Amino acid sequence: SQTIHQWPATLVQPVGSPLSLECTVEGTSNPNLYWYRQAAGRGLQLLFYSVGIGQISSEVPQNLSASRPQDRQFILSSKKLLLSDSGFYLCAWSLPVGEQFFGPGTRLTVL
Amino acid sequence: GENVEQHPSTLSVQEGDSAVIKCTYSDSASNYFPWYKQELGKRPQLIIDIRSNVGEKKDQRIAVTLNKTAKHFSLHITETQPEDSAVYFCAASGYALNFGKGTSLLVTP
Repeated sequence: SQTIHQWPATLVQPVGSPLSLECTVEGTSNPNLYWYRQAAGRGLQLLFYSVGIGQISSEVPQNLSASRPQDRQFILSSKKLLLSDSGFYLCAWSLPVGEQFFGPGTRLTVL
Repeated sequence: GENVEQHPSTLSVQEGDSAVIKCTYSDSASNYFPWYKQELGKRPQLIIDIRSNVGEKKDQRIAVTLNKTAKHFSLHITETQPEDSAVYFCAASGYALNFGKGTSLLVTP
């Protein structure tokens, strides 16, 4: 069966520090991968999605970036965090069309 | 791109009553419409979905209807229970999912 992992589960970082969140998927090949951000009490904002290694589509311009160095690995990064980057970051995977399966999420607090 | 509107943002019902959440979408090419339930602090979980070639789908107390002409779809929960309390998200997809802003449902005993 397929599983999706995210780490870390929680993270507290100072403003201006770098960020690296990692997501890995097991049990499937060539999945579509997604990064979402959910601010407190708000909806899900699609940040990036990828249909293959090295292919990244950005939905919202900001100080975040994403990379997919391996088929089942998706990384969300920032060189300098802002206060507004605080939120719940969710990675998800899907087959080309259909249900998206979410990871457990990373709760990021920028102080 | 796709724009999904969801209403209401909050909904309070008494246990046993029905709850209805409505969504509209803008891209007529969207063909997949899932509904997710998110409990506090947890990841969203799919509860039901519908594809554009179907007008209605039911799974026990949960049903979803789709009107492609009007570009709207709805979630219906009957005989609500306190454990149905959560935030519900609709989404529409032609490729990547675009989510509504969510409905916070509270079911009071």
